[in-house]
Amino acid sequence: ILNVEQSPQSLHVQEGDSTNFTCSFPSSNFYALHWYRWETAKSPEALFVMTLNGDEKKKGRISATLNTKEGYSYLYIKGSQPEDSATYLCASPMIYNQGGKLIFGQGTELSVKP
Amino acid sequence: NAGVTQTPKFQVLKTGQSMTLQCAQDMNHNSMYWYRQDPGMGLRLIYYSASEGTTDKGEVPNGYNVSRLNKREFSLRLESAAPSQTSVYFCASSELDVVVTNEKLFFGSGTQLSVL
Repeated sequence: ILNVEQSPQSLHVQEGDSTNFTCSFPSSNFYALHWYRWETAKSPEALFVMTLNGDEKKKGRISATLNTKEGYSYLYIKGSQPEDSATYLCASPMIYNQGGKLIFGQGTELSVKP
Repeated sequence: NAGVTQTPKFQVLKTGQSMTLQCAQDMNHNSMYWYRQDPGMGLRLIYYSASEGTTDKGEVPNGYNVSRLNKREFSLRLESAAPSQTSVYFCASSELDVVVTNEKLFFGSGTQLSVL
């Protein structure tokens, strides 16, 4: 079973702080790394899908990096705002002979206080 | 754009009751998925349908059945609900199998189910 792990489980920051959190995954048989943002009472929304070692993606104040050799991805939020409060989920595919599944980490819950 | 629509949004069941969660997408996607979200567990795949006419088990299929009614609709049925099935359920879709193509998932807004 592919283990996708996220840390920390929760994070509380002040408005304006920059923050980052980690997604770890087995580096063998890597295919892709997904990041999703899930606001309470809303649908999870995709932020990034990353496939290449060293890849960096950016969407507004949110960016992500990928290291497939060591098996981790960082998500950065620059100048956090209250509207950034959400659970951030990462996921990676597990492939086997009969098919595959997208395995999610347990999420990092971010709370940004005004 | 409606995207992925799930019904109902909330449901309370008694142990042993049955119900069907409905999901429909209007994006002409081929692949559809059912996940459950439990505190501290992340999203876990219950069943998926890579294309119309096919369904496959995910990580936690026990106690559930699915039907891919047509390309748009993918329903999840609890035949005899148990308290362990109390969870938030999400339906999702992608243009093609997200595992094979590295495409992103589009999620519905979720169903909060409580089984007493």
